[in-house]
Amino acid sequence: AQTVTQSQPEMSVQEAETVTLSCTYDTSENNYYLFWYKQPPSRQMILVIRQEAYKQQNATENRFSVNFQKAAKSFSLKISDSQLGDTAMYFCAFVSYDAGNMLTFGGGTRLMVKP
Amino acid sequence: DVKVTQSSRYLVKRTGEKVFLECVQDMDHENMFWYRQDPGLGLRLIYFSYDVKMKEKGDIPEGYSVSREKKERFSLILESASTNQTSMYLCASVGAGSRATYEQYFGPGTRLTVT
Repeated sequence: AQTVTQSQPEMSVQEAETVTLSCTYDTSENNYYLFWYKQPPSRQMILVIRQEAYKQQNATENRFSVNFQKAAKSFSLKISDSQLGDTAMYFCAFVSYDAGNMLTFGGGTRLMVKP
Repeated sequence: DVKVTQSSRYLVKRTGEKVFLECVQDMDHENMFWYRQDPGLGLRLIYFSYDVKMKEKGDIPEGYSVSREKKERFSLILESASTNQTSMYLCASVGAGSRATYEQYFGPGTRLTVT
């Protein structure tokens, strides 16, 4: 069974600064996807960024980028130039190609961006 | 844009009541999921469905049942609500086969309180 661990229950960052959220996972699979989802307060969960395990290049989406270390089973999210709207719960998630679209989620990190 | 809607944002029920939570998606997705979200535990899968009238148990199915009579609609049923079922419930959907991206699209959630 796969497990996903987010070791930082809560974090805070000053507006305009950079913050990194950690995620580690455990799997014996070789083909899988990793995701970071964002859940703003009282709002819908949305996908922030996706990484396919066979791709060595780290995924980037505007101010969001990941550091994917496949051998170490690590998948951290870096948010640059943090904005107040980045305040949210962030969930790391894993799915293997053979899992029938079933995601395994980490426990979440609550990020507060301070003005 | 994919849209996943849930019948209620907030719900208060009494212990022993039968509770219905409905989820509707408009993207013709084959796979639909019900999760429960609790602080520190992330999202845990209750049930999922990969086709009409098909269902599979997730990690925590006890005390719940589901129904999928139409492709776009997936219902979660609490046969006899208990206080330990007080939680946030999230519905999600994703396409299958050649359209699969493994990205799940989430509804806004239903915060259920059982008193």
